[in-house]
Amino acid sequence: DSGVTQTPKHLITATGQRVTLRCSPRSGDLSVYWYQQSLDQGLQFLIQYYNGEERAKGNILERFSAQQFPDLHSELNLSSLELGDSALYFCASSVGGAAGNTGELFFGEGSRLTVL
Amino acid sequence: QQQVKQSPQSLIVQKGGISIINCAYENTAFDYFPWYQQFPGKGPALLIAIRPDVSEKKEGRFTISFNKSAKQFSLHIMDSQPGDSATYFCAARGYSSGSARQLTFGSGTQLTVLP
Repeated sequence: DSGVTQTPKHLITATGQRVTLRCSPRSGDLSVYWYQQSLDQGLQFLIQYYNGEERAKGNILERFSAQQFPDLHSELNLSSLELGDSALYFCASSVGGAAGNTGELFFGEGSRLTVL
Repeated sequence: QQQVKQSPQSLIVQKGGISIINCAYENTAFDYFPWYQQFPGKGPALLIAIRPDVSEKKEGRFTISFNKSAKQFSLHIMDSQPGDSATYFCAARGYSSGSARQLTFGSGTQLTVLP
């Protein structure tokens, strides 16, 4: 158990809809990262927050947004969903803001999104 | 743009054999190279990592070999066991958009160790 909690584990929705994925980082971790994992593209970095502030952006679509709240949990909002958004969405956390000083990220078990 | 290229995509090895997964990178500013292991239904977890000033790191049956001049690194799993069957991701840490270093992952290798 990594200590990172993600909900929901599974989500099925229709095209054009909006969903919110939630992540609670490990106790004491200030950074939260969101990754998208699809079969053909591996793990793609979406966005990072550190202590409530956006720290870095990766390949995140404009239809997607995220935030980190004062209690350090984070939410990833996906809107105007398309079939191609079907994927596993992982949240990870680390103590520091540089992918961890040791490069170690602690991943949750992911939220599997299916867009029909 | 993929900055870390990983091969092979899948690998089947007999129990007791050696599993070798290779990665290559282009960005010489990468400063840390971890390998993550992912079992079905789970998130990736750090397996072993190396810094570019070291040519080899060994932890139990797992070894990273690092060739800075060739910009390549590889994971060797000695005496592979069925319990090692998982997906393995190499990664490299460097700056992307923003002020923080990020991990860029390879595309993953699905390892199957036959009993």
